[in-house]
Amino acid sequence: TQLLEQSPQFLSIQEGENLTVYCNSSSVFSSLQWYRQEPGEGPVLLVTVVTGGEVKKLKRLTFQFGDARKDSSLHITAAQPGDTGLYLCAGDKAGTYKYIFGTGTRLKVLA
Amino acid sequence: NAGVTQTPKFQVLKTGQSMTLQCAQDMNHNSMYWYRQDPGMGLRLIYYSASEGTTDKGEVPNGYNVSRLNKREFSLRLESAAPSQTSVYFCASSEALLSEAFFGQGTRLTVV
Repeated sequence: TQLLEQSPQFLSIQEGENLTVYCNSSSVFSSLQWYRQEPGEGPVLLVTVVTGGEVKKLKRLTFQFGDARKDSSLHITAAQPGDTGLYLCAGDKAGTYKYIFGTGTRLKVLA
Repeated sequence: NAGVTQTPKFQVLKTGQSMTLQCAQDMNHNSMYWYRQDPGMGLRLIYYSASEGTTDKGEVPNGYNVSRLNKREFSLRLESAAPSQTSVYFCASSEALLSEAFFGQGTRLTVV
């Protein structure tokens, strides 16, 4: 059973469109991270959110941690081909001291 | 800027063969991890080492063993490879548990 479910699993959009990726769980997390992975490479950390309701912005990317710390979202404004990749969320369940990864969302932005 | 280095990058094994995946980091990190990545499953933690001298099971440890050889190196061993172990394996390291993890480029393993 996957602790963290991401949706959608695949997303193909045109350059300039907006999109939102979701990361959901029935468990409470102390913190949540978002990574991006490009083909043939390992994941690279984008952001860590630690407070329920927290919103962080990284240029055109907006990350939100749910109030109850069970879910998170990633919103991309005006997507660009360079945003193409696999987006992964990872959460640390309280007391476990390690991150568990979500199922991933594969994004393709067409020029 | 080597970061996390994994060897080999590609490997094909026959069922029942054994092999060791090597991982080394040059960032003086305390914690190291082994993940496997399968389509639609994200990354699943196999084993991790919070600090030199300690190792612990992750989500999917069956069929694997690990050795934290020293602070820099963390190896993953498959004693008797099975087709279900066909996957891409990633090693990662972090300064401490729950701090930012840095990943290697992965090892693509096929078991036939």
